[in-house]
Amino acid sequence: DQQVKQNSPSLSVQEGRISILNCDYTNSMFDYFLWYKKYPAEGPTFLISISSIKDKNEDGRFTVFLNKSAKHLSLHIVPSQPGDSAVYFCAASGGHTNAGKSTFGDGTTLTVKP
Amino acid sequence: NAGVMQNPRHLVRRRGQEARLRCSPMKGHSHVYWYRQLPEEGLKFMVYLQKENIIDESGMPKERFSAEFPKEGPSILRIQQVVRGDSAAYFCASSPGFRGNEQFFGPGTRLTVL
Repeated sequence: DQQVKQNSPSLSVQEGRISILNCDYTNSMFDYFLWYKKYPAEGPTFLISISSIKDKNEDGRFTVFLNKSAKHLSLHIVPSQPGDSAVYFCAASGGHTNAGKSTFGDGTTLTVKP
Repeated sequence: NAGVMQNPRHLVRRRGQEARLRCSPMKGHSHVYWYRQLPEEGLKFMVYLQKENIIDESGMPKERFSAEFPKEGPSILRIQQVVRGDSAAYFCASSPGFRGNEQFFGPGTRLTVL
């Protein structure tokens, strides 16, 4: 049973436009959500996170939205740049104050075309 | 300021041999996580360790796999009697354990079983 799902394996966007990556979860105990970015042959790198007490967190071109009632979160990248082309993983964990395992989705490959 | 280090980056083993994967966490981090990424799949949690303790090994296969994080030295993921299905990228991550759940990943070890 996959608790974190990224239903779109791939997304292609024109440079300068908005990229929207989606993620759904099933476990209501999750209270901290993260997005990671991964380039080929490298480990994932942390991008942005959001606590369940918020519904939006913004960092430069990246904004994460959380809809707890729908158990859905999304990552918006605007404007998209060719360097944003990578695999994006959504992750969720329970317990804001304690480190613990994260459950990852299968990833969405974003391609930003010049 | 070194990040998470993993070695070797690439490891080739024949069926039945043992594989040892090493992970040195970031300085000051006492929490280590191991993930496996099979081809065309996402990151799957394997085990979460603190110094000298296994906190959560719910993602570890019941046989042939073991992990440790000794008081001194790197964390080791050990796979005995490897089979072709063990071929994957193995990622280690670390966190300080007291500030949210952001994890810092190493570059991974790509294991190929012939």
